[in-house]
Amino acid sequence: DVKVTQSSRYLVKRTGEKVFLECVQDMDHENMFWYRQDPGLGLRLIYFSYDVKMKEKGDIPEGYSVSREKKERFSLILESASTNQTSMYLCASSPWGGRGLPVWTQYFGPGTRLLVL
Amino acid sequence: AQKITQTQPGMFVQEKEAVTLDCTYDTSDPSYGLFWYKQPSSGEMIFLIYQGSYDQQNATEGRYSLNFQKARKSANLVISASQLGDSAMYFCASSRVVNYGQNFVFGPGTRLSVLP
Repeated sequence: DVKVTQSSRYLVKRTGEKVFLECVQDMDHENMFWYRQDPGLGLRLIYFSYDVKMKEKGDIPEGYSVSREKKERFSLILESASTNQTSMYLCASSPWGGRGLPVWTQYFGPGTRLLVL
Repeated sequence: AQKITQTQPGMFVQEKEAVTLDCTYDTSDPSYGLFWYKQPSSGEMIFLIYQGSYDQQNATEGRYSLNFQKARKSANLVISASQLGDSAMYFCASSRVVNYGQNFVFGPGTRLSVLP
């Protein structure tokens, strides 16, 4: 069965702290994604990765960085957490069929609710 | 850039009735996919249904169907025979192929409440 796990369901941090959110998938998917979800805004893409050590900025990358050292693991890093980064963070993965093949849906983790005080 | 619009922040429906959740999209890509996800209060995102831009027929999955009108750029979700467990946030999303993978754009969501 498809499985995407995130390191924490709830996290409380202080302003200025460095925060690591980890995501692991066991489906051998090439693509992995980090979103943040805020009421009325839906999901907004922070970063995505299409292969190990490869990353692309999404719509709102400012204040975040990512790391993908292994295919199954994609980490989101808040270098210096701020209160406006309080949000729900969702990780997702999807396979990559290559050009000319159907696009695939994403599989989501359970999410991490981050509160920055 | 792609954009997804969901104009209904909230919807109410009586149990056992059908409901339509609206979604319009804006893309210049010739090939794209359209998705609907359900997010219950527990927070997990559940994939419901997919429509490819070249698919001739509307997608159906059990009680879910996607009313795809390409010329109008709309991809409305129809839920037949609503159940109390259908109460949740619903997100419309589109995908497109980029150089080495694909990325996705989501709408703001519609909160559906099913009344007993």
